[in-house]
Amino acid sequence: RKEVEQDPGPFNVPEGATVAFNCTYSNSASQSFFWYRQDCRKEPKLLMSVYSSGNEDGRFTAQLNRASQYISLLIRDSKLSDSATYLCVVNPFSGGYNKLIFGAGTRLAVHP
Amino acid sequence: GAVVSQHPSRVICKSGTSVKIECRSLDFQATTMFWYRQFPKKSLMLMATSNEGSKATYEQGVEKDKFLINHASLTLSTLTVTSAHPEDSSFYICSARSVAGRGGQFFGPGTRLTVL
Repeated sequence: RKEVEQDPGPFNVPEGATVAFNCTYSNSASQSFFWYRQDCRKEPKLLMSVYSSGNEDGRFTAQLNRASQYISLLIRDSKLSDSATYLCVVNPFSGGYNKLIFGAGTRLAVHP
Repeated sequence: GAVVSQHPSRVICKSGTSVKIECRSLDFQATTMFWYRQFPKKSLMLMATSNEGSKATYEQGVEKDKFLINHASLTLSTLTVTSAHPEDSSFYICSARSVAGRGGQFFGPGTRLTVL
């Protein structure tokens, strides 16, 4: 079983749509969770951290369910510029050790 | 956010040559940097953790004698791919731990290596 699993997509949605991505992780002791965005042939960029209580940043909402080892990202009112690959990322260790485990990513394509 | 640079952005070399890639943190000091490799349509795979002033920690399956890492200062880590072969062709990305936030890392723009 992969340490971090994501649906590869692609998700093809029209502008203005709401889209949700899911991710599961295998290490129940994982401490920190993130969503990164990666554009084609570019480096990943931090989109948002995921907190236990859930958090929102503009059109983006992240949720964490520790019991189910499940993370989600909701994008509302999709824009063309949201087209990218979204990476679910987990730090399986505590104490500030920053080894990150990346999912393979979910590709989003927003069309007019 | 924190800025991390990489050089070169792209390199094409002949099989058997060595290639050095630099990773710099431009506006903060990084005691730890990370080197990743990404093959097309695959996830980023951590190769090694680079620690300033000490030996790098390599992930299982990564040859330390082939991928030499030097972290001589708090703002610079280098990865040298020795005796490169076509199967080493990949996207190499470094990152450094952010000084704020909850452990997120900032990535350099990556280096695309093509070995002929």
